[in-house]
Amino acid sequence: KAGVTQTPRYLIKTRGQQVTLSCSPISGHRSVSWYQQTPGQGLQFLFEYFSETQRNKGNFPGRFSGRQFSNSRSEMNVSTLELGDSALYLCASSLGRTAQETQYFGPGTRLLVL
Amino acid sequence: AQRVTQPEKLLSVFKGAPVELKCNYSYSGSPELFWYVQYSRQRLQLLLRHISRESIKGFTADLNKGETSFHLKKPFAQEEDSAMYYCALWDGGATNKLIFGTGTLLAVQP
Repeated sequence: KAGVTQTPRYLIKTRGQQVTLSCSPISGHRSVSWYQQTPGQGLQFLFEYFSETQRNKGNFPGRFSGRQFSNSRSEMNVSTLELGDSALYLCASSLGRTAQETQYFGPGTRLLVL
Repeated sequence: AQRVTQPEKLLSVFKGAPVELKCNYSYSGSPELFWYVQYSRQRLQLLLRHISRESIKGFTADLNKGETSFHLKKPFAQEEDSAMYYCALWDGGATNKLIFGTGTLLAVQP
């Protein structure tokens, strides 16, 4: 099976712009979670989608949003970028039928905000 | 509030020495804990989970509810064990949300 894929792998944006990141889960997986990874804060949960519905949300401002499509692919959007949004954004997928399932991570999208 | 603490940012040991990566948690219910590993230039992957009570690559971790700890151990470190290790706690409820510690970089010297 192909693993979790994320596009693009690298992005450079300037403050005030917006950005959309994409995540394609493993075939058959219906849950997609997003995490932000920074040197200072480590891995922080952004949100989780299951069957096109947001199932949980972390403590991030409303500038961070996401959605999931019927094929389970997910996108996250960050509007009005700030310098502090520079990070590695990881997505993870799982079957989603029960909690505590193994989550499989993608390689991440590295976002740099100038 | 739920929290995971990994007190060591870096742990350096020699090949063949025992390894213990510390993880403490704060959780009001019955915790479900995991260890994830990220080798250089590879993606984050699950190493083990406490409910499986398994040993992966020689690593084990025992949940100690009294001390609220889930330390990762290996009796004899290998150079290929060098990686970033993250302890994670399932947040509970109908979600796959994980709360991660800040990670410990394990460096195994030859």
